[in-house]
This record gives sequence, C-alpha cells and structure tokens, in this order.
Amino acid sequence: DTGVSQNPRHKITKRGQNVTFRCDPISEHNRLYWYRQTLGQGPEFLTYFQNEAQLEKSRLLSDRFSAERPKGSFSTLEIQRTEQGDSAMYLCASTPTGLAGTYEQYFGPGTRLTVT
Amino acid sequence: QKEVEQDPGPLSVPEGAIVSLNCTYSNSAFQYFMWYRQYSRKGPELLMYTYSSGNKEDGRFTAQVDKSSKYISLFIRDSQPSDSATYLCAMSAYDTDKLIFGTGTRLQVFP
Repeated sequence: DTGVSQNPRHKITKRGQNVTFRCDPISEHNRLYWYRQTLGQGPEFLTYFQNEAQLEKSRLLSDRFSAERPKGSFSTLEIQRTEQGDSAMYLCASTPTGLAGTYEQYFGPGTRLTVT
Repeated sequence: QKEVEQDPGPLSVPEGAIVSLNCTYSNSAFQYFMWYRQYSRKGPELLMYTYSSGNKEDGRFTAQVDKSSKYISLFIRDSQPSDSATYLCAMSAYDTDKLIFGTGTRLQVFP
C-alpha cells in the first residue's frame, strides 16, 4: 500500500490550454474524491466517485471541469480552456467503502497547477 | 459566514508547550470531525477523527468535540519543532461524504 498518488505533481500551462490530472487511489478503496485548495485556504470539495459512478458534484465544478473514473480504479480530472483563476492545488483522496459519512479520507500529495 | 471558522494564526510556541487549536461551526448536521496536518506543498495528513461529542486521545494528540457549543479542539502536548505545519479541521454530515474544511491554522514550534 503506497498511498494515494497523483500525477503530475506540478503543471504550468498557458491560459486557454486544456490540462488533465491523474489520481491513483489506495488499492481497494472504492470512494475517490477531488478537492481544490488555494493559498491560505482549506481544501474545497469538487466531486466524488463510488467505484465508477460520480455521485456528487460541487457547484464549484463549472462545465469546463470534467472528472472520470472509467473502471473504478484511477480517476482523471480535466480542465478545459484554463483560466488564471484555476491556479490551485488539486487534491485527490480515497476511502474504503462505507456508509454515507465515511470520514477517513486519505489524501495524495496534490497536483499544483499554475496558469500563466 | 463560512460554515467552519478557524483562526489562521500563525501560532508560535516554544518547544514543549501545550498547543490548543480550535474551530467553530454553524451547521448542526455535522457529525464527523477530523483534524488534518499539512506541511508546506504537501497533501493533508489525517491525524484524528471523532464522531459526535466527546474526547479522543492518540499519543500527544487529544481531540475534543462539543456539539452543544459547535466547537472542536485539538490539543498537542509536548510540542516539537516537527509539529510545525498547518492544522486543518474538517467535518461532514451523516448524509454526505464531502468534507468541509476550515482555513487552517499555521503552527510554528521553535526550539
């Protein structure tokens, strides 16, 4: 068990470009979450998956953002037509299957996005 | 008003001191309460979690929840320079998996 991994760790892109991030959860963790964290703030929830099903999306997740978890293992988060306001740390977390309110979410190291 | 309020600090203490970190919240539906530690440019690391009101102890860390006051605390005994980090409180309601975080308190423990 090597923990949650995220790639790339850093991404610099120009405004208007598309970017995609990958998250590999802890093996056998059925639930996977995406959060966004800006400087000086706590993480903000974006979306989460139970296996391959996307169960909840935040209003923060505009139509430029899309997340997938096609086989219930790794997940990707894509941002289209990036804007400078998208610059943030994108965090992925996972947790074992449980009742609603599962709270032991284990975070990865994050992908730091800089939009120039 | 934010659902979860947390003093951003920084909080600066000498090595060996007892540290008290606190959060208040407004949503009475919150049932699960967590503390995460985050080092600079790293992901949050889960330290403690508690369900509903009460205390929980793990080594040098004690978490307290007072639901009647909507107030949670994390105490660190015998603080060490390696405890220097940002401490985030987080909470969730029974019917949702999403965590609501405070802004984090930056702690500095000097030798």
